[in-house]
Amino acid sequence: GIQVEQSPPDLILQEGANSTLRCNFSDSVNNLQWFHQNPWGQLINLFYIPSGTKQNGRLSATTVATERYSLLYISSSQTTDSGVYFCAGYNSGGSNYKLTFGKGTLLTVNP
Amino acid sequence: NAGVTQTPKFQVLKTGQSMTLQCAQDMNHNSMYWYRQDPGMGLRLIYYSASEGTTDKGEVPNGYNVSRLNKREFSLRLESAAPSQTSVYFCASRRGGGQSNQPQHFGDGTRLSIL
Repeated sequence: GIQVEQSPPDLILQEGANSTLRCNFSDSVNNLQWFHQNPWGQLINLFYIPSGTKQNGRLSATTVATERYSLLYISSSQTTDSGVYFCAGYNSGGSNYKLTFGKGTLLTVNP
Repeated sequence: NAGVTQTPKFQVLKTGQSMTLQCAQDMNHNSMYWYRQDPGMGLRLIYYSASEGTTDKGEVPNGYNVSRLNKREFSLRLESAAPSQTSVYFCASRRGGGQSNQPQHFGDGTRLSIL
């Protein structure tokens, strides 16, 4: 199955800083999602982005499907951005639409 | 708009007890999934149901059973709970129905501790 590697595993920022999180896939994917798991454990859908670029407020994401990676950008970070960020994907050709998750990036934003 | 609803939110069991985790979605989705999340890890698929009336094993199915009761509901059963099944369990759904490229939508999770 597909392997998903996320980097960095941990990231500490001061409020107001920008950051880039990366997700690499071992094989091509045509379905990719980014999630934020907040301190209460809820998984929040950030982006559904199998290819291209999307923006939502201070967050944006870019997926380059041909090179098997995706990036999540957080600008002007806030303490409420803290938590774990996961990417997950599958290739619908052989996976029965089962998402494979990375291990996540733990983001801590300090005031 | 409730989305995906999981019950209960928290549960403590003793080793050997049985329990059913409930999941319901109100989005008329065809496909439903059960994942578990262990500390420091991403989610791993336990079982899934591509459509009403079908279920299939995922990555970590041992010790679990599932029932797709109807289109809305997909339950996960632990017949004889073990401490290794202490985890956070997430249910998800996807529209499916022949369209492959769609996101999965997740419930808030059930935190299960087995003593």
